[in-house]
Amino acid sequence: DTEVTQTPKHLVMGMTNKKSLKCEQHMGHRAMYWYKQKAKKPPELMFVYSYEKLSINESVPSRFSPECPNSSLLNLHLHALQPEDSALYLCASSQEGGGVLNTEAFFGQGTRLTVV
Amino acid sequence: DAKTTQPTSMDCAEGRAANLPCNHSTISGNEYVYWYRQIHSQGPQYIIHGLKNNETNEMASLIITEDRKSSTLILPHATLRDTAVYYCIVKGTYKYIFGTGTRLKVLA
Repeated sequence: DTEVTQTPKHLVMGMTNKKSLKCEQHMGHRAMYWYKQKAKKPPELMFVYSYEKLSINESVPSRFSPECPNSSLLNLHLHALQPEDSALYLCASSQEGGGVLNTEAFFGQGTRLTVV
Repeated sequence: DAKTTQPTSMDCAEGRAANLPCNHSTISGNEYVYWYRQIHSQGPQYIIHGLKNNETNEMASLIITEDRKSSTLILPHATLRDTAVYYCIVKGTYKYIFGTGTRLKVLA
């Protein structure tokens, strides 16, 4: 199973709503990632978790709050978003860590978020 | 983070080899070059990666110059299903940083 599963596939939320994006993998990967992708732009790294600990935050606004409850799950909690936050949010996982350095990341199909 | 530069778009005839170039002149000695592709808003798909030797797998070949400042991804027999945006990535620790990508269109 080389699949990264993201739910929901589509989400529409108001600027005062609180919502969460979910990501799951069962490959035993210890690194998990959140990316944001605007239309016709490349994916931009937001957060990296390694062994369930946040290791990289690319200066993301606090209205985005990541959480890694266990080694298979990654959440992105959303609160007070702006319309410009509308984008495709991608989750990925890889085996990197614990001496494994260069290995491919597997991406999910993304959640298409619209903020109204 | 090392930066990559790729042509914005390329066309290739179906059945011919597609050669996609990438410049990464600021790459460090221990950084790998990765290639991914993304088909119409799906998640990026891994293609191949390498450090300094040429690499080949069932999808593609990767040629890295001796000075490691550039590389070329080769799809040996392009099909219509290879139409996608191809991203060249210089990977740091935990960081897959995407460049602007090349939009490859395979023509029938």
